[in-house]
Amino acid sequence: EVQVVESGGGLVQPGGSLRLSCAASGFTFSSYWMHWVRQVPGKGLVWVSRINRDGSTITYADSVKGRFTISRDNAKNTLYLQMHSLRAEDTAVYYCVADAFGPNDYWGQGTLVTVSS
Amino acid sequence: QSVLTQPPSASGTPGQRVTISCSGGSSNVGRDNVYWYQQLPGTAPKLLIFNDNRRPSGVPDRFSGSKSGTSASLAISGLRSDDEADYYCVAWDDTLSGYVFGSGTTVTVL
Repeated sequence: EVQVVESGGGLVQPGGSLRLSCAASGFTFSSYWMHWVRQVPGKGLVWVSRINRDGSTITYADSVKGRFTISRDNAKNTLYLQMHSLRAEDTAVYYCVADAFGPNDYWGQGTLVTVSS
Repeated sequence: QSVLTQPPSASGTPGQRVTISCSGGSSNVGRDNVYWYQQLPGTAPKLLIFNDNRRPSGVPDRFSGSKSGTSASLAISGLRSDDEADYYCVAWDDTLSGYVFGSGTTVTVL
């Protein structure tokens, strides 16, 4: 059974940092591009970042460039998103997605990040 | 303000056909593939259409995608009550070097 499980969300103050993790199982993690997509509750979807199979190609949305870092550990079947200099507008549910936009994409249930003082 | 423009809402009665538009530009819809997602309340999005008009395995053929120039469309035929959801288009944008989602369309079954 395919499972994509995000963790690490929570409440953080503006300017703070947080690291999200995404544990994958039930598929060959190292064969998939991985993405982070976020959604402010009640609002639309926003693509955040992607990383290729071996971590050599990484892309970010302009809104997070220079503040967020995506990485992966294929030995642990885990994707990460390190977030620094967090702002109120980063408050959202963060989804981990395997092979986003492909016919066999897998989404997690999301983890909520709240940036507030 | 989203790069891809969708109507905020669409509606129809059971059995009707509903079409949702997605208007972009030459750097996204006009250049690369368009994807469509369905998001039911409280759940993660589900891919309905990839590569403009292809359906993943398991998606009913009531859902169809099309594209012409810088505009794409999702059609839902034989509308059912469980089609009530938010629908999003998405495409790669060469200028932004990232994926861009439409603002989303809420479909209501009357």
